Amino acid sequence: DVVLTQTPVSLLISLGGQASISCRSSQSLVHSNGNTYLHWYLQKPGQSPQLLIYQVSNRFSGIPDRFSGSGSGTDFTLKISRVEPEDLGVYYCLQRTHNPFTFGSGTKLEIK
Amino acid sequence: EVQLVETGGGLVQPGRSLKLSCVASGFTFSSYWMYWIRQAPGKGLEWVSSINTDGGSTYYPDSVKGRFTISRDNAENTVYLQMNSLRSEDTATYYCAKDQARSGRVYPFAYWGQGTLVTVSS
Repeated sequence: DVVLTQTPVSLLISLGGQASISCRSSQSLVHSNGNTYLHWYLQKPGQSPQLLIYQVSNRFSGIPDRFSGSGSGTDFTLKISRVEPEDLGVYYCLQRTHNPFTFGSGTKLEIK
Repeated sequence: EVQLVETGGGLVQPGRSLKLSCVASGFTFSSYWMYWIRQAPGKGLEWVSSINTDGGSTYYPDSVKGRFTISRDNAENTVYLQMNSLRSEDTATYYCAKDQARSGRVYPFAYWGQGTLVTVSS
């Protein structure tokens, strides 16, 4: 199975600051069709997860441009700029290139 | 508006069975694959199963294969998760999820239910 290693485990960021989360895969996430099915989610306290970024770098509907995704192959990054109070929660990466689908272990973002 | 409402969770003894339901509304249910994802208390997310549009193809990780069965009733807009031989490690909140498809793009797990808690304990 593909293992997604997320770092750091937690982040303490000041309002208005920038956060960076890494997601490294145990194997390439490039599908045979050329697409890379690496996605990012945020689970706010007490809520179900919500989709932020799909296929590495595409923001889902309604997601502000403060959120950006990048990377390729086995190495991916989610950046959050100008952190706001509503950004707190746990961020997960997910790969759907290979079966079984697997999630990263999560990164908890706390606001100073 | 898309809605996914899970029911059927509760306290169950190890080795027993439980069946979860997820009633969907606000979209053409029969056109979408459906998924179950779980989250143990205080832990991360784990994909549990997938089912294609007509129910003819199903997928599971090794952790539940042979014990869990996903099925669907397109007439009732409902997807089910039959869980047998339950273990303490199956204790989790179980979420139903679906993708969104629009203009040739697929947005993965774009919609989630609120989840239903399954506790496996004697």
